[in-house]
Amino acid sequence: DVKVTQSSRYLVKRTGEKVFLECVQDMDHENMFWYRQDPGLGLRLIYFSYDVKMKEKGDIPEGYSVSREKKERFSLILESASTNQTSMYLCASSLLIGRGYGYTFGSGTRLTVV
Amino acid sequence: QQPVQSPQAVILREGEDAVINCSSSKALYSVHWYRQKHGEAPVFLMILLKGGEQKGHDKISASFNEKKQQSSLYLTASQLSYSGTYFCGTEMEYGNKLVFGAGTILRVKS
Repeated sequence: DVKVTQSSRYLVKRTGEKVFLECVQDMDHENMFWYRQDPGLGLRLIYFSYDVKMKEKGDIPEGYSVSREKKERFSLILESASTNQTSMYLCASSLLIGRGYGYTFGSGTRLTVV
Repeated sequence: QQPVQSPQAVILREGEDAVINCSSSKALYSVHWYRQKHGEAPVFLMILLKGGEQKGHDKISASFNEKKQQSSLYLTASQLSYSGTYFCGTEMEYGNKLVFGAGTILRVKS
């Protein structure tokens, strides 16, 4: 069964800390995505990557950066965590964007910044 | 630009039907539909590509009206297992990313 694995289910961090969220997929997918999910706002795209070492800004990239050194791993970095970054973070991957291929999501990381 | 979903929430009894709508102000290439149960990851249901096709499996189907940039998800003879939040995701004509709506909460009661 294909999988997207996020390293932590729950995280609590302090304001100002540098936070790393890790995501690994075992499907040899080209594309990987980071979304944050907030009540009433749905899923909002932070960053995505269509190839190793490539990255594109999504709709809400401010305060975040990403790293993709290997095809199967996509990391989200909060340079200096703030309380407004408390949220559920979802990683996803797809073989090709749109074009008949759906996204496979990880189970999410619920981050609380105190 | 985020697509608009309606209704925001709907409550059904088992066996009733429901329609969830998704509309965009931009020309679309594709529409995805996902269902997310509480505490779980969103799960891909189906994708509709430009061309106005209708898709479905079991008692869940969807249509895509590319002239109106609208898609509808049809749930027929709903079951308890249909409960969850349904999201549409839209890909613009020459876009390369999926933008999701705010979601529709569906609750099926026995």
